Amino acid sequence: EAGVTQFPSHSVIEKGQTVTLRCDPISGHDNLYWYRRVMGKEIKFLLHFVKESKQDESGMPNNRFLAERTGGTYSTLKVQPAELEDSGVYFCASSQPLAGVRETQYFGPGTRLLVL
Amino acid sequence: RKEVEQDPGPFNVPEGATVAFNCTYSNSASQSFFWYRQDCRKEPKLLMSVYSSGNEDGRFTAQLNRASQYISLLIRDSKLSDSATYLCVFSFSGNTPLVFGKGTRLSVIA
Repeated sequence: EAGVTQFPSHSVIEKGQTVTLRCDPISGHDNLYWYRRVMGKEIKFLLHFVKESKQDESGMPNNRFLAERTGGTYSTLKVQPAELEDSGVYFCASSQPLAGVRETQYFGPGTRLLVL
Repeated sequence: RKEVEQDPGPFNVPEGATVAFNCTYSNSASQSFFWYRQDCRKEPKLLMSVYSSGNEDGRFTAQLNRASQYISLLIRDSKLSDSATYLCVFSFSGNTPLVFGKGTRLSVIA
């Protein structure tokens, strides 16, 4: 079974440009999470989808970040316009809730974003 | 105060050694606890969940102390392949975001 995949693996852009990150969760997983690790800091939560609905977006830093999950399958995270402090590693994770079983989130390999 | 506190290390131990990591959390509403492992430039991977009664998986033993709000991970008979960053993680309930510590770096040397 394929794991969580993310594209691109790396992105280098200039301040003010737009970047779109994509996440394909494990097939059939309803939960999809976005996280980010800024250099020197811990991994932090950004956003949680349940199917196509935003369940929790309390971690989104500001309105330059827009996440979508049309059709409840893959998700995109767009940063527009990008700022220097947006640099970091963006992880996507997915899980499937099962009654009586502790949820396990499976992480993708991440997208390394560098804003110059 | 940070939600999750971990000693960043690095812990440099010889092969075969026993090493223990502790992690404290500040929010008593935390419900589920985990240790994740992250290799250099890779994604975090679940190592083990941590249960109130303590649990063991091969050379790895995890403990939870709710009264003192800390969890621990014990690695016995360390292998070179155990070298990684170990992340202390919790969540408030199922299907909610994970809260991560910064991680503890372990280097097992021959």
